[in-house]
Amino acid sequence: EAQVTQNPRYLITVTGKKLTVTCSQNMNHEYMSWYRQDPGLGLRQIYYSMNVEVTDKGDVPEGYKVSRKEKRNFPLILESPSPNQTSLYFCASLSSGGQHILEAFFGQGTRLTVV
Amino acid sequence: LAKTTQPISMDSYEGQEVNITCSHNNIATNDYITWYQQFPSQGPRFIIQGYKTKVTNEVASLFIPADRKSSTLSLPRVSLSDTAVYYCLVGALKTGANNLFFGTGTRLTVIP
Repeated sequence: EAQVTQNPRYLITVTGKKLTVTCSQNMNHEYMSWYRQDPGLGLRQIYYSMNVEVTDKGDVPEGYKVSRKEKRNFPLILESPSPNQTSLYFCASLSSGGQHILEAFFGQGTRLTVV
Repeated sequence: LAKTTQPISMDSYEGQEVNITCSHNNIATNDYITWYQQFPSQGPRFIIQGYKTKVTNEVASLFIPADRKSSTLSLPRVSLSDTAVYYCLVGALKTGANNLFFGTGTRLTVIP
């Protein structure tokens, strides 16, 4: 079954304590992306990756890092979380396959609270 | 980078047809139009995609006029379970994943 798996689903942490949200996909997609969702602001892209070792900033990259050492995994790293990073986070994997198909598969979401 | 404009919210009664229009004046020749649906606390899911004219699947229809500067998602006979946020996206994957701009979408509320 095609899947994007995020972990953890819920996380409460304290300001400044480094954390990593993992994302893994089993569809061999080249493109992956991270979004955060806040009330009234919709989905905003944090970082994206077009292939292994190729990453770039989205609309709201400040305070985040990513890595893409292998195709299936795209972890989101918060080196020093702050309360304004409290949000609902989604990882997405995008189909390519030689077609112009913008079908994104999303993970279940990670609800992060930074106190 | 073609961004889109959609109504912030819409209400509809059960059983009615709902049409959500999206404006994308700067759509490029290679861009496709894709619609997603998102339920609370879940990630968006793909509904339908088209390039021109009309596309229909088991969930919805997508109408695209000849100039492609807008598109309309049509949901036939909505039910309470269609209450969700609907996003219109425009882009072409081969030009980069940064083309997936979701924005705030249209919040559809279906009323009994």
